[in-house]
Amino acid sequence: GQNIDQPTEMTATEGAIVQINCTYQTSGFNGLFWYQQHAGEAPTFLSYNVLDGLEEKGRFSSFLSRSKGYSYLLLKELQMKDSASYLCAVRKTGGFKTIFGAGTRLFVKA
Amino acid sequence: DTEVTQTPKHLVMGMTNKKSLKCEQHMGHRAMYWYKQKAKKPPELMFVYSYEKLSINESVPSRFSPECPNSSLLNLHLHALQPEDSALYLCASSQVGLAENTGELFFGEGSRLTVL
Repeated sequence: GQNIDQPTEMTATEGAIVQINCTYQTSGFNGLFWYQQHAGEAPTFLSYNVLDGLEEKGRFSSFLSRSKGYSYLLLKELQMKDSASYLCAVRKTGGFKTIFGAGTRLFVKA
Repeated sequence: DTEVTQTPKHLVMGMTNKKSLKCEQHMGHRAMYWYKQKAKKPPELMFVYSYEKLSINESVPSRFSPECPNSSLLNLHLHALQPEDSALYLCASSQVGLAENTGELFFGEGSRLTVL
């Protein structure tokens, strides 16, 4: 079976750093994605990890530990526009099946 | 052009109607997807087409019928839907087969469907 867990909601302050965790269990792993989804909009791609370690992309970084089935998304210098849902998604081997976690709703306050 | 375009943006239909959702991309992506998303829930995979052939059907009821007429277009035909089928239907596309690409999904803005 497969299971992706992430916190339901988080609140952080503008300018701060926030870490959103994701744990997963899946048969056949072929990469982990983070997507951002603003209310009423489509998800947009943020980051991709297939090997263990940290990938940095501007204010966003993502980490993966395959042995632990664990990833996190780190957002630095938070801005109000970062208020959105953050979806952890696992792609299974075969290449086409990407399964999404329930998402973490992040509220950034002034 | 890095867009996935979906029409219509909103659709209201009765349980006896037949309607279609349309999706178009011109990024040369050879994989196209339909996802269903209910409010405050994650997108759920419905169908995947690879090189215009149906690759994955996630046990979707037959009242949803996908079609991929060519490499740029993806349709979802709807017939005899139920009120519980009301949701946001997201189309996505991705590259296939290139070792250097991540294969991330490019989503359209979705078609919000209400079944009365």
